[in-house]
Amino acid sequence: AQTVTQSQPEMSVQEAETVTLSCTYDTSENNYYLFWYKQPPSRQMILVIRQEAYKQQNATENRFSVNFQKAAKSFSLKISDSQLGDTAMYFCAFIGPLNQGGKLIFGQGTELSVKP
Amino acid sequence: EPEVTQTPSHQVTQMGQEVILRCVPISNHLYFYWYRQILGQKVEFLVSFYNNEISEKSEIFDDQFSVERPDGSNFTLKIRSTKLEDSAMYFCASPGLGTDTQYFGPGTRLTVL
Repeated sequence: AQTVTQSQPEMSVQEAETVTLSCTYDTSENNYYLFWYKQPPSRQMILVIRQEAYKQQNATENRFSVNFQKAAKSFSLKISDSQLGDTAMYFCAFIGPLNQGGKLIFGQGTELSVKP
Repeated sequence: EPEVTQTPSHQVTQMGQEVILRCVPISNHLYFYWYRQILGQKVEFLVSFYNNEISEKSEIFDDQFSVERPDGSNFTLKIRSTKLEDSAMYFCASPGLGTDTQYFGPGTRLTVL
């Protein structure tokens, strides 16, 4: 069974600084996708970034980038130039091939606080 | 980002009552998902629905839960006899066209008293 682990329940960072959130996962699949979702106090689930396992290049989306280490089954999120609006819960998630149902498996979340 | 809508945003009900949560997923897609998030906990998979049938369900999705697509666009989650422990946020999700990326609706906050 696939599992996703986020070992940092809470983190804080000063505004404009860089922070890295950790995520590890376990799977026997070779083709899969990894995601980071942001959940602000409104509790909406907002996609931050995605990574296809077959791509060696790390995904980037503006200030957000990932460090994807397939052999180590590690998928960390780096937030550069942190902003107050980045304060939220961040969930790492895994999805297997769509022909296997494609359900998302989430980690426990990391609560990030950006301090002015 | 593709839009998924859910109604109501907040539902308060008495224990033992039936509730129906509604979702309008991204159009022209065959896969839909329901997830649940108890306050302070992680998001958990409930059920996936493909081509008008349940594709997969979790242990949480017991006989008191059911899903339907009554009119070809709306997608409903029914809880027949609510329990206190059903209090949670319920999210509907739908993949974007041609992608495995799931986009979430804003959620329905269910409170069972």
